[in-house]
Amino acid sequence: QVQLVESGGGLVKPGGSLRLSCAASGFTFRDYYMTWIRQAPGKGLEWVSYISGGSISIYYADSVKGRFTISRDNAKNSLYLEMNSLRAEDTAVYYCARSVLGDPAMDYWGQGTLVTVSS
Amino acid sequence: SVLTQPPSVSAAPGQKVTISCSGSSSNVGKNYVSWYQHLPGTAPKLLIYENNKRPSGIPDRFSGSKSGTSATLGITGLQTGDEADYYCGAWDGSQSGLFVFGTGTKVTVL
Repeated sequence: QVQLVESGGGLVKPGGSLRLSCAASGFTFRDYYMTWIRQAPGKGLEWVSYISGGSISIYYADSVKGRFTISRDNAKNSLYLEMNSLRAEDTAVYYCARSVLGDPAMDYWGQGTLVTVSS
Repeated sequence: SVLTQPPSVSAAPGQKVTISCSGSSSNVGKNYVSWYQHLPGTAPKLLIYENNKRPSGIPDRFSGSKSGTSATLGITGLQTGDEADYYCGAWDGSQSGLFVFGTGTKVTVL
């Protein structure tokens, strides 16, 4: 069965960096677009970034552009999110998700990892 | 968020609720809409994709439709387990590669 497991969250100071990972299993990882989504405390879902199977197409939300970098290693069935220059407003649960073939809708999600940016 | 949903809807068990998702010509108007159910502390679940298709395992109590720049999620035969937050989502063509979620709707089963 499809499984997505995020890791790497934690407490970081403003201006700091963190790298999130998402381990995928149960499907042919290289065939699917993958997405990072976040939810700040008490807020709704916010799309963060999206990467194609071969890493050719990459997109970012304006709120993270220039600070976050999405990448993947298809040999390791892993998705990553490198987060730099972190701000308090980046505090959120970060989810990785698989996209439906041919559509940006997200059909499988991980349980999420909490990132807290605070001094 | 550029997709507007009502903050909350409620109904008794067995009844029907509908949730609206209002967007614009750059998102809902020309791209597929998807719907997600999110219970606190759990992974969000895809309910509807490509406006009205249900993934395997999603009961037909959940339905989706779209007309112009608005989309609707319907839930019939409401159950206590349906109490959750619901979000619509769509690709937004006004920017270079941006997916937008709706503001979210809390469904309460009375």
